[in-house]
Amino acid sequence: AQRVTQPEKLLSVFKGAPVELKCNYSYSGSPELFWYVQYSRQRLQLLLRHISRESIKGFTADLNKGETSFHLKKPFAQEEDSAMYYCALREGNNDMRFGAGTRLTVKP
Amino acid sequence: DTGVSQDPRHKITKRGQNVTFRCDPISEHNRLYWYRQTLGQGPEFLTYFQNEAQLEKSRLLSDRFSAERPKGSFSTLEIQRTEQGDSAMYLCASSIDENTEAFFGQGTRLTVV
Repeated sequence: AQRVTQPEKLLSVFKGAPVELKCNYSYSGSPELFWYVQYSRQRLQLLLRHISRESIKGFTADLNKGETSFHLKKPFAQEEDSAMYYCALREGNNDMRFGAGTRLTVKP
Repeated sequence: DTGVSQDPRHKITKRGQNVTFRCDPISEHNRLYWYRQTLGQGPEFLTYFQNEAQLEKSRLLSDRFSAERPKGSFSTLEIQRTEQGDSAMYLCASSIDENTEAFFGQGTRLTVV
């Protein structure tokens, strides 16, 4: 069963525009949600996790349990934000399940 | 480089052959995960270890797949009688424990011809 859904495979915005990458999940318990990023020719790396409530590289994500969403947002996109973004869900103390990913392109 | 290391980076093999991949996690990371990623998809969970114990296996891990972590350090993933559908990027990740960040390796790209 699909646990993490990223509805947009591709997202393109202009530099300086706001960006929102959508993520919805299905899990009955208390999930732990993550955003991972993969820049060109680099390994997958953690961007942020919901429990830390941090802003990393200007990105934030709020867990909305009512809407079962964990959308990633940035008010002003930069060209260096162009990458693949994966939303991930960890169930309990077990493994992580990833969405299919969204390729973000920030145009100059 | 003190990150997660995977070897080889690329492997081309003929259908029906066996292949083995190695993952060296970050030192003192107790958790080790294997994922598979095909084009256009996110990483799909295969299996994970807590030290040397294999705690969970995905339905994706058919009988032809076996993973080991004999001393709780490096891990190997073997695929027997490879099929073209096994062509994918195989990713390894490690974390200190279940509550901490997972660090990924560069992956092993397998092509079955």
